[in-house]
Amino acid sequence: DTAVSQTPKYLVTQMGNDKSIKCEQNLGHDTMYWYKQDSKKFLKIMFSYNNKELIINETVPNRFSPKSPDKAHLNLHINSLELGDSAVYFCASSQDDRASQYFGPGTRLLVL
Amino acid sequence: SQQGEEDPQALSIQEGENATMNCSYKTSINNLQWYRQNSGRGLVHLILIRSNEREKHSGRLRVTLDTSKKSSSLLITASRAADTASYFCATAGTYKYIFGTGTRLKVLA
Repeated sequence: DTAVSQTPKYLVTQMGNDKSIKCEQNLGHDTMYWYKQDSKKFLKIMFSYNNKELIINETVPNRFSPKSPDKAHLNLHINSLELGDSAVYFCASSQDDRASQYFGPGTRLLVL
Repeated sequence: SQQGEEDPQALSIQEGENATMNCSYKTSINNLQWYRQNSGRGLVHLILIRSNEREKHSGRLRVTLDTSKKSSSLLITASRAADTASYFCATAGTYKYIFGTGTRLKVLA
């Protein structure tokens, strides 16, 4: 069974559109994250959630809105997509805020 | 930027040789973690070393940590072609992990 899954794997869309990425973990972890990896492979944290509550928002534009309906899910909705949003987005989870993280396979977003 | 630095940025070695990657960071840490990322895949956790530890081993991996120099190194011994990947260090703070810039390792068969 996949520990951390994301859908979709690929997302190609036009500028100005709204899109969502879903993430689910079956590890029973309390903490979930969204990361953005740019074309230079820099990995930057966007959001941290603990028990469905937002803990960290790393100065991400408010076009990005995460939602955690329960501990096992953390979805990411992006409004008014811009060219600069093109990247790979990774969901991750960990047992607590300092434990090893488990990453999803990534969602490759291309904004045209 | 809080981004950690890793060097070298890229490393190419022959199968059977050892590979060493270094990571420097800027903030105080609870622990430091190393991850591997194969091309087009998610990151996989390799090893975690706590701030009060100096060295840790896991199979062919050896990690050292020097908190006074804010640096860590990852040694992969007897490398294999399957070790070809990017390697990242990450420092763990409170609900926030800061990743290094990564080292791209290529192991030639």
